[in-house]
Amino acid sequence: NAGVTQTPKFRILKIGQSMTLQCTQDMNHNYMYWYRQDPGMGLKLIYYSVGAGITDKGEVPNGYNVSRSTTEDFPLRLELAAPSQTSVYFCASRAGTVTYEQYFGPGTRLTVT
Amino acid sequence: AQSVTQLDSQVPVFEEAPVELRCNYSSSVSVYLFWYVQYPNQGLQLLLKYLSGSTLVKGINGFEAEFNKSQTSFHLRKPSVHISDTAEYFCAVVAGTASKLTFGTGTRLQVTL
Repeated sequence: NAGVTQTPKFRILKIGQSMTLQCTQDMNHNYMYWYRQDPGMGLKLIYYSVGAGITDKGEVPNGYNVSRSTTEDFPLRLELAAPSQTSVYFCASRAGTVTYEQYFGPGTRLTVT
Repeated sequence: AQSVTQLDSQVPVFEEAPVELRCNYSSSVSVYLFWYVQYPNQGLQLLLKYLSGSTLVKGINGFEAEFNKSQTSFHLRKPSVHISDTAEYFCAVVAGTASKLTFGTGTRLQVTL
């Protein structure tokens, strides 16, 4: 099992550019999450999904979009990158309602200049 | 809504000394509590969790935590730290049947010789 994988590891974007952060899990988990981590702020939830075809907003969804067409994949889309989106992005997955622990990917470090 | 407070943003400690990292939560419903560790430039890894049962839970790497419902706390302890314990530690809570983890802002544990 590779667990939760994220690509790319690093990316530099110019203001106004778009990109997709990829997230894949091979544990057949129903729940998937996207977080951003900023220094001293902990992790903030951007979007989450409770299963294929179902997504919902978290605390900080503005400027982002997601889709969940398969159980395995949960890509995060940035449409018009802004400096405020400079952050480290983590994807996570969780099996279901019995076990609440989440498994995290290694992260994507994004800089918008 | 639930929330988590980690009052100490940094905790310096000498190697082989004991350490306690504090976590307080607020919620009007039953909670599940977690401690995650983040080593530099890595994703988050589960240290331990409290779902039910014994209030003293043991985790990986010699860490343990005690759930105290009356004080709404879930402090993390280790009797003797090692240099390799230097990392950021996050407390997190899931309340009731919520799908989402709420994280504290993290405590940076710095172990020195």
